[in-house]
Amino acid sequence: ILNVEQSPQSLHVQEGDSTNFTCSFPSSNFYALHWYRWETAKSPEALFVMTLNGDEKKKGRISATLNTKEGYSYLYIKGSQPEDSATYLCASRNRDDKIIFGKGTRLHILP
Amino acid sequence: GAGVSQSPSNKVTEKGKDVELRCDPISGHTALYWYRQSLGQGLEFLIYFQGNSAPDKSGLPSDRFSAERTGGSVSTLTIQRTQQEDSAVYLCASSLNPGNYGYTFGSGTRLTVV
Repeated sequence: ILNVEQSPQSLHVQEGDSTNFTCSFPSSNFYALHWYRWETAKSPEALFVMTLNGDEKKKGRISATLNTKEGYSYLYIKGSQPEDSATYLCASRNRDDKIIFGKGTRLHILP
Repeated sequence: GAGVSQSPSNKVTEKGKDVELRCDPISGHTALYWYRQSLGQGLEFLIYFQGNSAPDKSGLPSDRFSAERTGGSVSTLTIQRTQQEDSAVYLCASSLNPGNYGYTFGSGTRLTVV
């Protein structure tokens, strides 16, 4: 994988349900994986930075895992709320400081 | 200020004109990035400044694009002879130590070339 790929591109989830989505990134020369939450008309907000294989981070109802050997990260949202509606971006940083963003997963929470 | 500041927030320009976009990073942040997001696309890397090192310009799409960072602080992205495909949201991000702290983004400049 040469690029950062996120799936699905768009997701509709009923309020109260849990969900997850994926970020795939180049595993070679990897340094760090970033997750951002980007609401419309606002700037991206940092959620997590993970560097080690097996890392798990949690912030409230949102958590993320990292597998650097196979080059993927999952973002989980438990008990979705309307305020979770946003685009979730992941970015991979390599050891040369090059950062590549995925195109994001647009999450829509249905009331 | 407490955050990354970008100006202007919106810019409408005529095709062929030059534009300058400004980014004021958080004081003390040595790393500064410019990205852009075109309609329906992801964030596209443009240029990266780190301290006094030579900038990584590998993402600039053409020689009409240039950027500088004066005194290790304020950065200006210049687009000469703008084209309609330059229309996008241009985001600036800065960081003290990206590996530990991630990046703080500005609110972006929405550029529309008519």
